Amino acid sequence: DIQMTQSPSTLSASVGDRVTITCRASQSISSWLAWYQQKPGKAPKLLIYKTSSLESGVPSRFSGSGSGTEFTLTISSLQPDDFATYYCQQYNSYSQTFGQGTKVEIK
Amino acid sequence: EVQLLESGGGLVQPGGSLRLSCAASGFTFSSYAMSWVRQAPGKGLEWVSTISGSGGTTYYADSVKGRFTISRDTSKNTLYLQMNSLRAEDTALYYCAKGRIAVVHAVDYWGQGTLVTVSS
Repeated sequence: DIQMTQSPSTLSASVGDRVTITCRASQSISSWLAWYQQKPGKAPKLLIYKTSSLESGVPSRFSGSGSGTEFTLTISSLQPDDFATYYCQQYNSYSQTFGQGTKVEIK
Repeated sequence: EVQLLESGGGLVQPGGSLRLSCAASGFTFSSYAMSWVRQAPGKGLEWVSTISGSGGTTYYADSVKGRFTISRDTSKNTLYLQMNSLRAEDTALYYCAKGRIAVVHAVDYWGQGTLVTVSS
């Protein structure tokens, strides 16, 4: 199975900061990677699919990049609504996998 | 408006069975893959199973293979997850999720989840 490793596990940042989260795959997944945001007590929300395609309605401060085994989610200017946990997910193989999550906290 | 409403969760003893349902509305059900994703209390997301839009192809996580069965009824716009031989480690909130297309892809809508607790 393909393993997905996110870093960091926790990130402390301030409103207005540029934030980058990394997701590494144990083998190449081409561009088949998505990013989700989850807030406490809520279902996850799709932010980005196929590495860099922004889901409809998602603010343009979110962006994704990468290919192969290394991917990043960038929030260009952190907003109060962005404090949440973020997950990457690979869907390259028949067995999909999520990363362990990155919690973005208020500094 | 896309809506996914899960039901069927509850308390079950180890070794027992449970069937989860997910009633879908607001989209052409047969045109999209559907998945189950679970989240143990205080833990991260774990993909469980996916079924293609046609229902002809199914995929399972190794942790549930041979114990869980995913299916769909297009006439009822309903997704199912039959869970047998349940273990304590299956305790989680189970989300129903809609894929972006008919085959394996990212999921763009999620239900609110149904809680499964496996305990004696």
